[in-house]
Amino acid sequence: AQSVSQHNHHVILSEAASLELGCNYSYGGTVNLFWYVQYPGQHLQLLLKYFSGDPLVKGIKGFEAEFIKSKFSFNLRKPSVQWSDTAEYFCAVNPSWHNAGNMLTFGGGTRLMVKP
Amino acid sequence: DVKVTQSSRYLVKRTGEKVFLECVQDMDHENMFWYRQDPGLGLRLIYFSYDVKMKEKGDIPEGYSVSREKKERFSLILESASTNQTSMYLCASSLASGINLDTGELFFGEGSRLTVL
Repeated sequence: AQSVSQHNHHVILSEAASLELGCNYSYGGTVNLFWYVQYPGQHLQLLLKYFSGDPLVKGIKGFEAEFIKSKFSFNLRKPSVQWSDTAEYFCAVNPSWHNAGNMLTFGGGTRLMVKP
Repeated sequence: DVKVTQSSRYLVKRTGEKVFLECVQDMDHENMFWYRQDPGLGLRLIYFSYDVKMKEKGDIPEGYSVSREKKERFSLILESASTNQTSMYLCASSLASGINLDTGELFFGEGSRLTVL
């Protein structure tokens, strides 16, 4: 079975600091990769996704992620965080061949707190 | 905008009670899912459904059942609630899989926080 690891459980940054959240997965085949975000009191929403093509993916609110196949990684980055980026971030994976309902496997989440 | 609505935001139940969590989506999505969210464990899939009356077990189906009698509604049932089922439950929906339809995006409800005493 595939698994997803997010190594940072809690991250605290000051505004304008750069962010990188790690995500590694364990599946040998072709995968689809996602980052979801959950702002306090809100539902999860898609931040960005990778299916194929350019391994550097840009998402909403200035976030980007890079797929490095050789490292089984899909790290999330933002050059300069804002207080409003305080949220929990989830990495998710599903095998590309899987066509039964987007069965995503989620990582354990990373809670980001940005100090004003 | 896709809207996924979960009927109860907060519930408190006693051990052994039967619990129903309801979820309705308004975008005619084929796929619907129930996850539970626990600190440090992320989201774990309980059950999903890709069509009316169809259901498939996820990673942690034990102690749960589901019902999908109508396309827009997917219910999660705890036949006899236990304290280890205290959690946040998230419903999600998505378009049918397939090259032209599958955006890969799940749309989530706001969650139902269940406490079992």
